[in-house]
Amino acid sequence: AQSVTQLGSHVSVSEGALVLLRCNYSSSVPPYLFWYVQYPNQGLQLLLKYTSAATLVKGINGFEAEFKKSETSFHLTKPSAHMSDAAEYFCAVSGTGNTPLVFGKGTRLSVIA
Amino acid sequence: EAGVAQSPRYKIIEKRQSVAFWCNPISGHATLYWYQQILGQGPKLLIQFQNNGVVDDSQLPKDRFSAERLKGVDSTLKIQPAKLEDSAVYLCASSPLGPYEQYFGPGTRLTVT
Repeated sequence: AQSVTQLGSHVSVSEGALVLLRCNYSSSVPPYLFWYVQYPNQGLQLLLKYTSAATLVKGINGFEAEFKKSETSFHLTKPSAHMSDAAEYFCAVSGTGNTPLVFGKGTRLSVIA
Repeated sequence: EAGVAQSPRYKIIEKRQSVAFWCNPISGHATLYWYQQILGQGPKLLIQFQNNGVVDDSQLPKDRFSAERLKGVDSTLKIQPAKLEDSAVYLCASSPLGPYEQYFGPGTRLTVT
């Protein structure tokens, strides 16, 4: 069985500050890990994915995440927050192949001017 | 390329009524997923198709929900009769065969009154 825990349902940062959204996973098989972003009234957009290649993954909009097997973590970071980053962020895990995603409960990011 | 299309975008019905949602995946994507996203939570898988066969429907409430994927392309999800707790966003996603990310449609927001 697979599961994801996102620490903090709401994170608030100042514009230009570091963004850190936390995700810990549990998986009985080598995991594939994903971060998705959801803007109001829209579907989910892929930010980045880890599929057993490089442990530091770079995504769109300046986001990156590091896979740490020893900590079972896949935290999302961005060096400098922008107002347009305000959205809901979901961490998800799946096994290999075409297996469904198991999502965390999401973290709402607010960016303060 | 065109993304995943869903319709309608919004639907309001009374409890005990029936409703149907439609999804057109990205051309060539063999795998199609339906997820339910209740307010404040991450998406949860309802059913997964590969071509026109069901791979996983273990979390589909089969007493009231049904889904089909004709000819391995479009899919419909039906609820009959609807309950208040079915109020949610219904997301359709598709992916090619293999360990690829899922592409999400904009979702259908269902309100049951």
